[in-house]
Amino acid sequence: DTAVSQTPKYLVTQMGNDKSIKCEQNLGHDTMYWYKQDSKKFLKIMFSYNNKELIINETVPNRFSPKSPDKAHLNLHINSLELGDSAVYFCASSSPLSGRVNEQFFGPGTRLTVL
Amino acid sequence: AQTVTQSQPEMSVQEAETVTLSCTYDTSESDYYLFWYKQPPSRQMILVIRQEAYKQQNATENRFSVNFQKAAKSFSLKISDSQLGDAAMYFCAYRSLGGSNYKLTFGKGTLLTVNP
Repeated sequence: DTAVSQTPKYLVTQMGNDKSIKCEQNLGHDTMYWYKQDSKKFLKIMFSYNNKELIINETVPNRFSPKSPDKAHLNLHINSLELGDSAVYFCASSSPLSGRVNEQFFGPGTRLTVL
Repeated sequence: AQTVTQSQPEMSVQEAETVTLSCTYDTSESDYYLFWYKQPPSRQMILVIRQEAYKQQNATENRFSVNFQKAAKSFSLKISDSQLGDAAMYFCAYRSLGGSNYKLTFGKGTLLTVNP
């Protein structure tokens, strides 16, 4: 069974459109994240949710709105897509209760291409 | 804010040889975690090895080991007996220990090529 899943894995869309990426984890973790990997492979945190509460928002434009309906899901909605939003978006999860060094488990990534 | 620097954008190694990837970081915290992640062409992020800063002993996972120098803020990854499957992008990452700030801060990565 997949631990962290994302849908879709590929997304091609036009500038100005609104799109969503879904993330689900079946690990029982209470913290979930969104990371963005740009064209130069640089990975940077965007958001973090703990028990459905926003913990980290790293100066992401408000066109990006994460939503966590429950602990197992963290979706990313993007409004008015721009060319610069083209990237690979990774969802991850972890649990601070699983031990001092809690690993972050990553999803397979969603490659977003904005034309 | 913490920063992570990987000074080698690309490295290559012959199959069965040993290679060391460099990572330095900057932090004012005394306790934290350090990780090496591997990203093969499939783009899946895979944890290779982790180190808790309070532990002096260097972490080891099979053919992978680290050289953790806390005073120098250095965390290098050694891959022994390199295999073709080790070819990937390798990322060094830092994570704070305290509070609810569990985010990973990544370096820019080192692309490792393994030559047969």
